[in-house]
Amino acid sequence: NAGVTQTPKFQVLKTGQSMTLQCAQDMNHEYMSWYRQDPGMGLRLIHYSVGAGITDQGEVPNGYNVSRSTTEDFPLRLLSAAPSQTSVYFCASRGGGRTNTEAFFGQGTRLTVV
Amino acid sequence: GENVEQHPSTLSVQEGDSAVIKCTYSDSASNYFPWYKQELGKRPQLIIDIRSNVGEKKDQRIAVTLNKTAKHFSLHITETQPEDSAVYFCAASGWVTFGTGTKLQVIP
Repeated sequence: NAGVTQTPKFQVLKTGQSMTLQCAQDMNHEYMSWYRQDPGMGLRLIHYSVGAGITDQGEVPNGYNVSRSTTEDFPLRLLSAAPSQTSVYFCASRGGGRTNTEAFFGQGTRLTVV
Repeated sequence: GENVEQHPSTLSVQEGDSAVIKCTYSDSASNYFPWYKQELGKRPQLIIDIRSNVGEKKDQRIAVTLNKTAKHFSLHITETQPEDSAVYFCAASGWVTFGTGTKLQVIP
């Protein structure tokens, strides 16, 4: 049982490039979400999903796309990278249906856009 | 949606002293209040949580109290140790929106 797995751990992009951050969980969790964490800052919600085929925007969705074709995977796509997207990205999941339960986080992806 | 405010943003205490972090929430329907600890360079991890049918929960040196009437809940750490130094996040109804975080520094 690996929990929540994010890849890659580190990435450097040039301005304008696109890429996909991968997130997979093996706990059969319905709910998954993406956050960005800037230095010294909190967790800001980018997008989230309450089940396969269902996604919604969070606090800072601009410049990012998501899809949820399976329960396990929730990739985050950067469409055209900008220096303002330099940050640490965390994926999280939780189960329990409508009963609120603990969120499990991936190890994070440190992204630098130059 | 739920709005969670967390105070203070930074907190320095001497080793052995107690630390208290407070969060307030807006949605009276919220029923689950977790606290996460994030050590430097690592992922946030749950350290304690409380549900709305309980007023207080304790786990060794950490405790959480909940005041549903006032819509606030607090994390209490007693006998602080250097390894308690980290950023702490609260959340209400668990999982989408977190407080802004409190950086706790325990001075040896």
